Amino acid sequence: GDSVTQMEGPVTLSEEAFLTINCTYTATGYPSLFWYVQYPGEGLQLLLKATKADDKGSNKGFEATYRKETTSFHLEKGSVQVSDSAVYFCALINRGGKLIFGQGTELSVKP
Amino acid sequence: SAVISQKPSRDICQRGTSLTIQCQVDSQVTMMFWYRQQPGQSLTLIATANQGSEATYESGFVIDKFPISRPNLTFSTLTVSNMSPEDSSIYLCSVGAETEAFFGQGTRLTVV
Repeated sequence: GDSVTQMEGPVTLSEEAFLTINCTYTATGYPSLFWYVQYPGEGLQLLLKATKADDKGSNKGFEATYRKETTSFHLEKGSVQVSDSAVYFCALINRGGKLIFGQGTELSVKP
Repeated sequence: SAVISQKPSRDICQRGTSLTIQCQVDSQVTMMFWYRQQPGQSLTLIATANQGSEATYESGFVIDKFPISRPNLTFSTLTVSNMSPEDSSIYLCSVGAETEAFFGQGTRLTVV
């Protein structure tokens, strides 16, 4: 069945460091891919998405490129801030509209 | 797009009791999905609710514990039955298409 695998956390970075959170997927066909963010004590928010191969999703300085050949959708940000501290979830959506989530990666950014 | 109203937003319940969570969508949708997020965990799909047929449950979830109703194309309920502290979680309903998904606000359940 469809699945999503993320790098394990927690990830701890200093402010202004470069961030990469790895995400790979297994799926039938070419699903749309998502990154969601959950700030402490809050609900899930859509961060960015890509709907086809080679698409790049971007938002708030975060980027991720849909790589069909490596079945990956890694999240990157050039310079993280303390306010980026949160849990990040990679997900895919299958044809029926069902979301499959990765296990989540906790990011902690220190000043 | 779709707007989903979910209630209650939070509740504190006694063990052994049941809680019914409601989701109302502002448009007709074929399938609705129910997820659970246990503390510190990712989201796990509980079941898919289709109008006019029984819900389809994922491995590890059973109808007796999580009965679901889907009386029409805009509404669904999830009941958490005979609750224990292990049921303390956030429960979310969702609708989706091939390129996007929409969530209710979530129900934060604490069982004491």
